[in-house]
Amino acid sequence: KAGVTQTPRYLIKTRGQQVTLSCSPISGHRSVSWYQQTPGQGLQFLFEYFSETQRNKGNFPGRFSGRQFSNSRSEMNVSTLELGDSALYLCASSPRPAGANQPQHFGDGTRLSIL
Amino acid sequence: DQQVKQNSPSLSVQEGRISILNCDYTNSMFDYFLWYKKYPAEGPTFLISISSIKDKNEDGRFTVFLNKSAKHLSLHIVPSQPGDSAVYFCAADHPGAQKLVFGQGTRLTINP
Repeated sequence: KAGVTQTPRYLIKTRGQQVTLSCSPISGHRSVSWYQQTPGQGLQFLFEYFSETQRNKGNFPGRFSGRQFSNSRSEMNVSTLELGDSALYLCASSPRPAGANQPQHFGDGTRLSIL
Repeated sequence: DQQVKQNSPSLSVQEGRISILNCDYTNSMFDYFLWYKKYPAEGPTFLISISSIKDKNEDGRFTVFLNKSAKHLSLHIVPSQPGDSAVYFCAADHPGAQKLVFGQGTRLTINP
């Protein structure tokens, strides 16, 4: 069974640009969550999508947005990139939304570097 | 508000010995807990979970203990192996939660 696939694996951008990251969940999983990981900050929750609807959003500015398609694939967009956006962005999928007492399964992330 | 805390940023253990990683939580509504392992440049891998109706769950070398009265859980790895060197995250969930809540992680180093 294929795992969670994130593309691209690495990305270099400059300040002010925008970026779109993609996540394909495990087949049959309808929930996709996004996290940001920076050194010393653990996993910071960005948002969760279930059945194409955003269920919850973390404490991030409006420059961070996302969406989910009917096939459960999800994209995350960051506009007007800042140096502080350099991080590992992780996507996780699960059959049901958070709160259903089940593990989330992670992809290997997209390493975003802002110059 | 840090609802899930891993107070030890790092831990060093001799190969073959027991590794004990700790996690504390503050929200009494949490009723499902998970441990993840993360290598550099990879995503976290789910290791083991425990429901609040249990106080222990085992899977091979990994055992998770839950003390609900103390709001504390721990992950025991016996025996520790070099491949166990990684960052370990605990996480918590409850019905009605909008997200998994993660601790800050503990870096485990297994020394030969």
